[in-house]
This record gives sequence, structure tokens and C-alpha cells, in this order.
Amino acid sequence: DVVLTQSPLSLHVTLGQPASISCRSSQSLVHNDGNIYLNWFQQRPGQSPRRLIYKVSNRDSGVPDRFSGSGSGTDFTLKISRVEAEDVGAYYCMQGSLWPYTFGQGTKLEIK
Amino acid sequence: QVQLQESGPGLVKPSETLSLTCTVSGVSVSTYYWGWIRLPPGKGLEWIGFRSYSGSNSGTANCNPSLKSRVAISIDTSRNQFSLKLSSMTAADTAVYYCAKNNQGSLDYWGQGALVTVSS
Repeated sequence: DVVLTQSPLSLHVTLGQPASISCRSSQSLVHNDGNIYLNWFQQRPGQSPRRLIYKVSNRDSGVPDRFSGSGSGTDFTLKISRVEAEDVGAYYCMQGSLWPYTFGQGTKLEIK
Repeated sequence: QVQLQESGPGLVKPSETLSLTCTVSGVSVSTYYWGWIRLPPGKGLEWIGFRSYSGSNSGTANCNPSLKSRVAISIDTSRNQFSLKLSSMTAADTAVYYCAKNNQGSLDYWGQGALVTVSS
């Protein structure tokens, strides 16, 4: 199975400051069709996960533009340009290129 | 607007079979893939499996190898629902179970989640 390793597992960020989460894959996530199905999800406390980013860098409708995704091959990053109070929660990367799909361990973001 | 809602028992006895249903609105379950994911307490998200509908409920099903022998996922187009059955439940299966729409290697819509506790 593909192992996704997120770092850090915990983030304490001052409001208005940037944040960055890394997701490293144990193998290439390039699908047979040439796409990389690497997603980022946000799970706020008490809520179900919400997709933020799909196919590495495509932001979902309604997701603030302070969220961005980047990367290639086995190394991917989610960046928040300026953290706001509503960003508190857990963030997960997930690969949908190879079955079984897998998630990273999750990164918990808190406000300092 | 696409919406998903899980339903089922919140408490299951050890060795019994869990049955959960996901009711979908805003899109037909005869299209796309439909999946189940769970979040055990204190742990991360885990894929259970997904399937598509292809006439007579014979569409392709993909289940996590670690759970495959215990998992069955079915789709009911008449009710626009899909279901999960997980057999031989143990305490390790205690989790919040989510249903989701699987679209091109991603999960674009999720249910609100159903807490399932395994206890006698």
C-alpha cells in the first residue's frame, strides 16, 4: 500500500501567519492516465471532512484562495498564506492514484 | 445540491454485523462511485471501500484488503441509497463512519458521519 507521511503532525500558528503541511508518498502517485490524484481535506472540530484541493493544486469552489496545493511525484505541500481562526482543525492528504487509496496521518492545526 | 446522510445503529455487539445506509440526494447513485471511510477514536481516516452501480448491482467494488473479507457494499437505485455491511465486529471497529461520493480518485461530497460503538 502507498504510505503517505505528513509533517508536522501538529502546528501552532499565530493568526495572520502562514502555515505549511508536507505530504510525502512512499511511491510515485502518477496514475496510468498521467494525472496525480493527490487531495487535501480539512476536518474542523465536530464536522465531517471537506475537500480543499484535488489533483495536487485545484482548489474546490468556495475554498478561500489563501489555501494552495503544490507538488509532484512523491512530494506535496498544502500552504495557508494567512491563518484565520476558522482554519483550526485537522488536515489530511489522500491519494486516489493507486488502490487501496490511503490517507496521511493527519496534521492538527491550532492557533497560538 | 448533492447531500449524503448516514443512518444505522450507534451500538453493535462484538461478533455482530454492522449495517449502515447512506441516503443520497441531488445526484443518482447509478452514476459515479460511492464509498465508505471511517475515523477511529484518536486515529486517522481509513478507507473501507467503494463501488459503482452497473446494472443488477454488479458494478466493480474495491475494498481495503485489510477489511475485504468482512466488507460488503451494495447500491439500491430505487431508493437512491448505498449500504455498508461489516461483519465480525470488534472493539477495533469502533469509529465514526462516513459515506462519500468518489469522483476521479477523490471524495467531493461527504455525509455528516455516524458514530458506531462496539460493546456488549
